[in-house]
Amino acid sequence: GAGVSQSPSNKVTEKGKDVELRCDPISGHTALYWYRQSLGQGLEFLIYFQGNSAPDKSGLPSDRFSAERTGGSVSTLTIQRTQQEDSAVYLCASSLQSDSNQPQHFGDGTRLSIL
Amino acid sequence: QQQVKQSPQSLIVQKGGISIINCAYENTAFDYFPWYQQFPGKGPALLIAIRPDVSEKKEGRFTISFNKSAKQFSLHIMDSQPGDSATYFCASPPLSGGYNKLIFGAGTRLAVHP
Repeated sequence: GAGVSQSPSNKVTEKGKDVELRCDPISGHTALYWYRQSLGQGLEFLIYFQGNSAPDKSGLPSDRFSAERTGGSVSTLTIQRTQQEDSAVYLCASSLQSDSNQPQHFGDGTRLSIL
Repeated sequence: QQQVKQSPQSLIVQKGGISIINCAYENTAFDYFPWYQQFPGKGPALLIAIRPDVSEKKEGRFTISFNKSAKQFSLHIMDSQPGDSATYFCASPPLSGGYNKLIFGAGTRLAVHP
């Protein structure tokens, strides 16, 4: 079956521009997560959605970052006025529900480069 | 504030050898300890996970050993193969609680030489 799909796979943009990254989770998965992975580093939690509950935005690094999830499915991560330090791989994951023992399934990420 | 401490940062093993990666956690309320494997250009994938009611779990060449008193768990890769060369991450929920997100270790880059 289809896994988590992210688009675009690569994005190069100029500093100061806004970017939108898309995540299409596995069908039927109610939980959706965004992470950021800088070069050679671990995964940094950004935001989490579970069903119709208010998202957990505790990991967003600044107010330039926002995310939404429409209809409980597709999610979009938006970065406004991009900075060079935003360059990273942005990973999306989904799971059946928010229980701790439900594995998170990751997409292959969007590699974002800010010039 | 590092809540999941993973070591070593990098590891080189000869083919057929044993790879050992360690993880120390802080959230004692956690009941699920996963290891993820990531190949270059790909997202992490769940490799193996353990619950604290057992001290060891084995799946093929991969074994998780769990030491509750020391708050550590480790990944052992037996008969390591070049195809195992990847980055490995352990994970735990944050001390602030909530099972709805994971705090990942910094990762261990494993290279298995033929």
